[in-house]
Amino acid sequence: EPEVTQTPSHQVTQMGQEVILRCVPISNHLYFYWYRQILGQKVEFLVSFYNNEISEKSEIFDDQFSVERPDGSNFTLKIRSTKLEDSAMYFCASRAGTTSYEQYFGPGTRLTVT
Amino acid sequence: GEDVEQSLFLSVREGDSSVINCTYTDSSSTYLYWYKQEPGAGLQLLTYIFSNMDMKQDQRLTVLLNKKDKHLSLRIADTQTGDSAIYFCAEKGYSSASKIIFGSGTRLSIRP
Repeated sequence: EPEVTQTPSHQVTQMGQEVILRCVPISNHLYFYWYRQILGQKVEFLVSFYNNEISEKSEIFDDQFSVERPDGSNFTLKIRSTKLEDSAMYFCASRAGTTSYEQYFGPGTRLTVT
Repeated sequence: GEDVEQSLFLSVREGDSSVINCTYTDSSSTYLYWYKQEPGAGLQLLTYIFSNMDMKQDQRLTVLLNKKDKHLSLRIADTQTGDSAIYFCAEKGYSSASKIIFGSGTRLSIRP
């Protein structure tokens, strides 16, 4: 069964460093998402991406965040200058198309900022 | 704003039915979802229901939607130890093309 994959499973970085979290959505899916879950808190929406552009973003997704689909399979989330409060589990998700509202999630990348 | 609430814990005996409840505030919700998260794993889509339905059954899972009260429930029949996990209720509003709003999750534990 096709699934969303994410790498790495755990990333440790120092405050102020840039990180790139990688995702491979389900093949032929058209919509891509990033969510995050700070320990003990709810899963929060960050951004959605369709047709090579951001279609919606939350207030969390400020200028230090960016997303990219560099090729036909990868979808990345870049955090330019990490802060301690960026420590969280980051989930990638994908959805097939406009008539399907099922979002399928990857296993997550745990980001620890020290 | 949009909000989804769930109780944090539920403990049931193996073989009994589990009922996990959820309330939401967005009256324009179009889709409501149940996700399952096992330890160390991602969010697995279990089932979802469209807002014009009031019930959906899928094997051991039954979803009930009371749109008037904005209440969603997930019933798991014949609960097994493999059902131990955190269950997240989530909704997608009409106004949003994309984002899903999640509840805090209900941790289901199974007693022998």
